[in-house]
Amino acid sequence: AQKVTQAQTEISVVEKEDVTLDCVYETRDTTYYLFWYKQPPSGELVFLIRRNSFDEQNEISGRYSWNFQKSTSSFNFTITASQVVDSAVYFCALSAFPVSGGYQKVTFGTGTKLQVIP
Amino acid sequence: NAGVTQTPKFQVLKTGQSMTLQCAQDMNHNSMYWYRQDPGMGLRLIYYSASEGTTDKGEVPNGYNVSRLNKREFSLRLESAAPSQTSVYFCATLYYSNQPQHFGDGTRLSIL
Repeated sequence: AQKVTQAQTEISVVEKEDVTLDCVYETRDTTYYLFWYKQPPSGELVFLIRRNSFDEQNEISGRYSWNFQKSTSSFNFTITASQVVDSAVYFCALSAFPVSGGYQKVTFGTGTKLQVIP
Repeated sequence: NAGVTQTPKFQVLKTGQSMTLQCAQDMNHNSMYWYRQDPGMGLRLIYYSASEGTTDKGEVPNGYNVSRLNKREFSLRLESAAPSQTSVYFCATLYYSNQPQHFGDGTRLSIL
């Protein structure tokens, strides 16, 4: 069974602070993919990043960075120098095509609501 | 290029009424999904379709039916709406598990 846990329900930071959103996952599949999505107040879901289970390279994209650690089954997301436009709900997701058969399963965490206060 | 189109965007129903949420994609993806999003619950899978003519139950299928008559369209039907089905519904497509899903803009459904 797959499971994604985002223990932080809501986080508030003051603009320009750094903030890290935690994601811990469980899966029996050896090949899987991890994603982060952003859902701004307008409601649409926006893809941010994908990571393969066999690629533990961390990534930085502008103010965003991601830390994937297989040893702790974590895929954390850091926003540096947060801005008001970063205010949104952020979802972590796990995707796999089970070797045992079945559908391409995508499991979402419950989301972390980030509020950046000006 | 529209991507994934959901209709309607908003709907208010009375308990017991029926309705169908429509989803159409132009990306030629085989896999399509229906999710519901409730506060604090994330996205929960209602039904999934691997290809035209095939559908499977997800995590919360009770009270819903789906239909995948062709590759483009995947509809979700509420036969007898209940207040517990008040939610935001998202349709999504997927090419392969190493790719991100593509989501529609959602349907906000209220059942009184």
